[in-house]
Amino acid sequence: SQQGEEDPQALSIQEGENATMNCSYKTSINNLQWYRQNSGRGLVHLILIRSNEREKHSGRLRVTLDTSKKSSSLLITASRAADTASYFCATGGGSNYKLTFGKGTLLTVNP
Amino acid sequence: GAGVSQSPSNKVTEKGKDVELRCDPISGHTALYWYRQSLGQGLEFLIYFQGNSAPDKSGLPSDRFSAERTGGSVSTLTIQRTQQEDSAVYLCASSLGRGGAYEQYFGPGTRLTVT
Repeated sequence: SQQGEEDPQALSIQEGENATMNCSYKTSINNLQWYRQNSGRGLVHLILIRSNEREKHSGRLRVTLDTSKKSSSLLITASRAADTASYFCATGGGSNYKLTFGKGTLLTVNP
Repeated sequence: GAGVSQSPSNKVTEKGKDVELRCDPISGHTALYWYRQSLGQGLEFLIYFQGNSAPDKSGLPSDRFSAERTGGSVSTLTIQRTQQEDSAVYLCASSLGRGGAYEQYFGPGTRLTVT
């Protein structure tokens, strides 16, 4: 079964708006990663946040992690049409080398 | 530098035929993973290789699926007697080390269609 579950499943916004995607998970983790996928092909790593971190930034991306609620959020500010993609969270725990992926959020940014 | 490459990019095969999918990981990456992604779904873990250790095959869906990694580099995923439900995109990823703490670098995938 999949560990992370993204919410919403699909999100459509206008260029310039912010996009927020959420991820919930069930078991304890050591870290959580966010990936982006264009056109159903290879995934690209966006950001990794460790369990002892609460917030992390990378360019227009902001990720938060709340281990007490077992949830994370990915915020994309000032969205662009090129941000249109599917976004996945993936969890890893301990020596578990298996990153467990959610089903993703399909983000559409309309120009 | 060169990323993870996979071949072929697309494969159409008839039900019952065998197929081989190839993955060339990033040089120096000791860990290699295979995933499967069905349309509109997340990634399903298939198999994991780490250095010279025995691979973790726990995600392989049936004994028709097998994989090997030669010389700690190139990997081949083989599906025997393909079925229509095997149709999916097969993704390969590599990382510097084992453990979920490492970023995984993905190849572009092989889209397999079984007719």
